Amino acid sequence: ETGVTQSPTHLIKTRGQQVTLRCSSQSGHNTVSWYQQALGQGPQFIFQYYREEENGRGNFPPRFSGLQFPNYSSELNVNALELDDSALYLCATQLGGSGTSTDTQYFGPGTRLTVL
Amino acid sequence: QKEVEQDPGPLSVPEGAIVSLNCTYSNSAFQYFMWYRQYSRKGPELLMYTYSSGNKEDGRFTAQVDKSSKYISLFIRDSQPSDSATYLCAMSATGANNLFFGTGTRLTVIP
Repeated sequence: ETGVTQSPTHLIKTRGQQVTLRCSSQSGHNTVSWYQQALGQGPQFIFQYYREEENGRGNFPPRFSGLQFPNYSSELNVNALELDDSALYLCATQLGGSGTSTDTQYFGPGTRLTVL
Repeated sequence: QKEVEQDPGPLSVPEGAIVSLNCTYSNSAFQYFMWYRQYSRKGPELLMYTYSSGNKEDGRFTAQVDKSSKYISLFIRDSQPSDSATYLCAMSATGANNLFFGTGTRLTVIP
């Protein structure tokens, strides 16, 4: 077990709605990254937060946004959901460090989002 | 062209076989190379972590990196049914904060 939890496990939404996904990690893991994994694909980097500030972003539109809280939890928010947003959303946390990928990333089990 | 290419398989082998999984990449800035294992309905779990070129061994697993060919491999010896999973290669550049993943290879080890 990585000590990284995500909620909810599954979620079904309709196109145009908004969704909030949550991630909780171990104490000291002050870097969190979010990834989108479409069916049959590898995870794609959405963005990273380090000490509650965005610390890098992948090729995702602004309707994907995030928050990180002092208690080592974080949120991924997606507005105006589209059918292509259907995927497994993974968060990955790192112990301390500067947020670079040289630190081991511990993944949560993911939230499976279905957009109808 | 994707930055990381990985044969999606699926790959089926008998128990005890040696498994070879491979990825190629195009970005010469990549210095850190990882292999993750992902069971169905679970998040990826780090198996092997290698910096730059060379080999690294951990039990039945061996990771190889050939930066001159932009090619990485994971070998699994004496494969077990419990090794059945999707194997993802991932890599990153120095100072980068994100990982680039392959599509994953689905492996089934048949008892």
